[in-house]
Amino acid sequence: AQSVTQPDIHITVSEGASLELRCNYSYGATPYLFWYVQSPGQGLQLLLKYFSGDTLVQGIKGFEAEFKRSQSSFNLRKPSVHWSDAAEYFCAVGAETSYDKVIFGPGTSLSVIP
Amino acid sequence: DAGVIQSPRHEVTEMGQEVTLRCKPISGHNSLFWYRQTMMRGLELLIYFNNNVPIDDSGMPEDRFSAKMPNASFSTLKIQPSEPRDSAVYFCASSLFTGELFFGEGSRLTVL
Repeated sequence: AQSVTQPDIHITVSEGASLELRCNYSYGATPYLFWYVQSPGQGLQLLLKYFSGDTLVQGIKGFEAEFKRSQSSFNLRKPSVHWSDAAEYFCAVGAETSYDKVIFGPGTSLSVIP
Repeated sequence: DAGVIQSPRHEVTEMGQEVTLRCKPISGHNSLFWYRQTMMRGLELLIYFNNNVPIDDSGMPEDRFSAKMPNASFSTLKIQPSEPRDSAVYFCASSLFTGELFFGEGSRLTVL
């Protein structure tokens, strides 16, 4: 069965600093991997996705993520954080063979210090 | 384009009452998901449909929960009878491609 872990419950960074959010997954085959962001009181929004090919994927809002099969990881990065990036971030794993079933990690809450 | 539309946005009810949450997916999407979000348990997949057919309902907590998708443009999640531990935000999401979910704004349920 698919599963996702996000080791960091909460992270605080200063505006302008770099960011890396960790994600580890468990899945027998090649997974489909995603990062979503949730602002307070809102639904989740897709930031980026990895299906195959280049292991470094670019997303919206200046985010990128790197798939590392050997480490079963899919970490999210941003070189310079803006105050508006404060939100909850969810890593997710899916597989085409399971009729689009997508499982989300527990989330990492990001606070940004001005 | 209209996104996923959920109603009601907020629902306050008393224990034992029936609750019905509604969802209109994005037109043309073929998969629909119901998730529940709580502080303690995070985001849980309750059930999902593909082409209006329930594929996996293993996340539905118990028999008090039921979900239907009578056509491609409408789905309901029903709780009967409701209990205080059902208090949560319930999200509906739809997709056309694997994993690319579009979420509604959620229905916040409070059971007193």
